[in-house]
Amino acid sequence: KQEVTQIPAALSVPEGENLVLNCSFTDSAIYNLQWFRQDPGKGLTSLLLIQSSQREQTSGRLNASLDKSSGRSTLYIAASQPGDSATYLCAVRPTGGGNKLTFGTGTQLKVEL
Amino acid sequence: EAEVAQSPRYKITEKSQAVAFWCDPISGHATLYWYRQILGQGPELLVQFQDESVVDDSQLPKDRFSAERLKGVDSTLKIQPAELGDSAMYLCASSLKGQGWSEQYFGPGTRLTVT
Repeated sequence: KQEVTQIPAALSVPEGENLVLNCSFTDSAIYNLQWFRQDPGKGLTSLLLIQSSQREQTSGRLNASLDKSSGRSTLYIAASQPGDSATYLCAVRPTGGGNKLTFGTGTQLKVEL
Repeated sequence: EAEVAQSPRYKITEKSQAVAFWCDPISGHATLYWYRQILGQGPELLVQFQDESVVDDSQLPKDRFSAERLKGVDSTLKIQPAELGDSAMYLCASSLKGQGWSEQYFGPGTRLTVT
């Protein structure tokens, strides 16, 4: 059974700092990995999606990397802003067809002024 | 921009009462998903529909939960009777297709509190 772990569970940083969120998964047979953002009491917003054949994806100040063989992904946020405060979730899809997502427990980020 | 709609956004109910949530997926999306997210955890899939058929309900507590998508469009998730442990965010998502990969789009969720 696929298990996805995110470390740290919570993080507080001053504005402007660069930071890294970690995601690890136990089964490397994944089709792709996706990072989501969730604001308090809201649904999920997709940030970045990395196919299993890719090493990284970038969108603005966000960069996600994937090392499938070691079962790890990182989300790098450059020059953090208070508006980045949210919970960040990673999720993996299995190979072999199907579209089921297995989510991590999330990292709650707070960026302080 | 097309979005997944859910209602109600918030629901407070007493233990042992019945409660229902509604989801309207993005037009043309054949696959619909219901997730449950307990506070401090990631979402967990409860049920997946392909058109009007259930393709995965392995994590659905069938003694108290039911889900339907009668015409293959909108869907209802019901809990009867509700228990304290059912307090959670219930998220609906949809995708163009279920076979192979197709990106899922999430609705705003329904926050359920059972007292």
